Amino acid sequence: DAGVTQSPTHLIKTRGQQVTLRCSPISGHKSVSWYQQVLGQGPQFIFQYYEKEERGRGNFPDRFSARQFPNYSSELNVNALLLGDSALYLCASSPGLAGIYRETQYFGPGTRLLVL
Amino acid sequence: QQQVKQSPQSLIVQKGGISIINCAYENTAFDYFPWYQQFPGKGPALLIAIRPDVSEKKEGRFTISFNKSAKQFSLHIMDSQPGDSATYFCAASKGYGGSQGNLIFGKGTKLSVKP
Repeated sequence: DAGVTQSPTHLIKTRGQQVTLRCSPISGHKSVSWYQQVLGQGPQFIFQYYEKEERGRGNFPDRFSARQFPNYSSELNVNALLLGDSALYLCASSPGLAGIYRETQYFGPGTRLLVL
Repeated sequence: QQQVKQSPQSLIVQKGGISIINCAYENTAFDYFPWYQQFPGKGPALLIAIRPDVSEKKEGRFTISFNKSAKQFSLHIMDSQPGDSATYFCAASKGYGGSQGNLIFGKGTKLSVKP
């Protein structure tokens, strides 16, 4: 079975631009979470979606938004890009709502975003 | 506030040796403690996980030791191999409440296993 897939793999943007990152969860998984991983650090939680509803949000500004589609795929949008947004953006999926059912999160390979 | 503290930052071990990575947490509501392995250019991959109702879990060469009273847990890699060279992250999550299930990661340990 295919794992979590993300697109694009790499992206270069300039300050002030907007970016959309995409994620397809493992087949059968209904929960998707987004994480930001700055070079040399651990991933930081951005959003969690389950059944198309936002179920959790980390400490990120409103420039970050996301949504989940009926097929459980998800998009992460970042507006007004800053240099500090340069990072690896990771998507993780789990079968249920991670936490309540203590489901394991499986990560995709990430999208490497560089903001110039 | 760093909720999960991981040490050491880097570790060099000889092939066949034991690698030990430690983590400490602050929030007693955490009830799920996974370890992830990450190779350069890849996403984190789940290695092994433990819940606070057990003190130790072993899967192959990987063992998690958990000390609930000390709020500490550690990863032991037995018979370390050069292929184990990667960055290891501990994490924690809580099952209920806001942002339920989101993982709080440590800063990572870069392990190098010398042949």
